[in-house]
Amino acid sequence: AQSVTQLDSHVSVSEGTPVLLRCNYSSSYSPSLFWYVQHPNKGLQLLLKYTSAATLVKGINGFEAEFKKSETSFHLTKPSAHMSDAAEYFCVVSPTDKLIFGTGTRLQVFP
Amino acid sequence: GAGVSQTPSNKVTEKGKYVELRCDPISGHTALYWYRQSLGQGPEFLIYFQGTGAADDSGLPNDRFFAVRPEGSVSTLKIQRTERGDSAVYLCASSFTGGGTDTQYFGPGTRLTVL
Repeated sequence: AQSVTQLDSHVSVSEGTPVLLRCNYSSSYSPSLFWYVQHPNKGLQLLLKYTSAATLVKGINGFEAEFKKSETSFHLTKPSAHMSDAAEYFCVVSPTDKLIFGTGTRLQVFP
Repeated sequence: GAGVSQTPSNKVTEKGKYVELRCDPISGHTALYWYRQSLGQGPEFLIYFQGTGAADDSGLPNDRFFAVRPEGSVSTLKIQRTERGDSAVYLCASSFTGGGTDTQYFGPGTRLTVL
């Protein structure tokens, strides 16, 4: 069975500093992996997705993630946090049709 | 164009009542999904439609839950004899063709509260 583990439930950073949200996956074959963001009282929005093409995936709003098979990781990064990045972030794996979500990481950004 | 819409945005009901939640997918999307998000958790898959048929209903928790998509567009999630544990945000998503690599676009959700 496929699953994802988000290693941090909360991450706090100062505005302008780098962001790192960690995700490990479990899969018996090459997975499709996604990061979604959920702002308060708003719908889930796709940040980026990995589908076995380039291992470094660039997404919206300056986010990117690197697929590392040897480490079974798909960490999300951003060089410089902005106040508007404060939200809940979900790492997601898709075995076939359905999405399997992690438990989420809440990102706080302090001025 | 318009995104996925869900109605109502909020629904409060009493234990034992029947509720219907509606989802309007993006026009032209053949795949439609329902998820449930409990407080502090990630969304959990309920059911997936490809056209009018349920291609995967393995996430429905029990036979009180049922969903339909009679014309391959709008879908309704139906919950009978609601229980307090059914309280959650119910999310609908659609994608162009379905499949593991196809991007799913989510609606804003329906917050269901069972008193």
